[in-house]
Amino acid sequence: DVKVTQSSRYLVKRTGEKVFLECVQDMDHENMFWYRQDPGLGLRLIYFSYDVKMKEKGDIPEGYSVSREKKERFSLILESASTNQTSMYLCASRETGLSSYNEQFFGPGTRLTVL
Amino acid sequence: QKEVEQNSGPLSVPEGAIASLNCTYSDRGSQSFFWYRQYSGKSPELIMFIYSNGDKEDGRFTAQLNKASQYVSLLIRDSQPSDSATYLCAVTRGLSGNTPLVFGKGTRLSVIA
Repeated sequence: DVKVTQSSRYLVKRTGEKVFLECVQDMDHENMFWYRQDPGLGLRLIYFSYDVKMKEKGDIPEGYSVSREKKERFSLILESASTNQTSMYLCASRETGLSSYNEQFFGPGTRLTVL
Repeated sequence: QKEVEQNSGPLSVPEGAIASLNCTYSDRGSQSFFWYRQYSGKSPELIMFIYSNGDKEDGRFTAQLNKASQYVSLLIRDSQPSDSATYLCAVTRGLSGNTPLVFGKGTRLSVIA
């Protein structure tokens, strides 16, 4: 059974703290993604990676960085958390293929609250 | 124009009726189209994908694609209260299998028993 796991379901942090969100997939997928989801704004792409040590900015990368040292793990880092980063964070992975219709699998999400 | 547009709803249908969810997209290069279902507090799960013009059926679900009109829809027949969820339309950007999916904001469906 395919699986994408995230390190925490709920997280509460203080403004200015450095926050690490971890994501692990066991499907040997090349592509991994970080989204945030907010009411009325939908799913917005923060960063993605198509290979180890490779990263690409998504639509809203400001205030975030990522790390992919191993194929199965993709970390999202908030260097200095701010209240406007309170959100649901969703990790996803997808296989690369000649076709573009490979299913994208999501992790369970991390609900981050920044106080 | 936003890349992927959906009516936010809520769309309310009685139990047993057909629910029709619509999505338009702006990138003519998009090749594949996905429908995800998201229950409240849960992550999205794939229910259908389509990449050829026409209809694709899977149980009570039918996806319809019209690339000329840049339009994709999802029909849910014999709607059940358990179908109440937010439905997200997603499309690929361009041809590569590496590019991220672009999601619409979702349509909230409520099936009334």
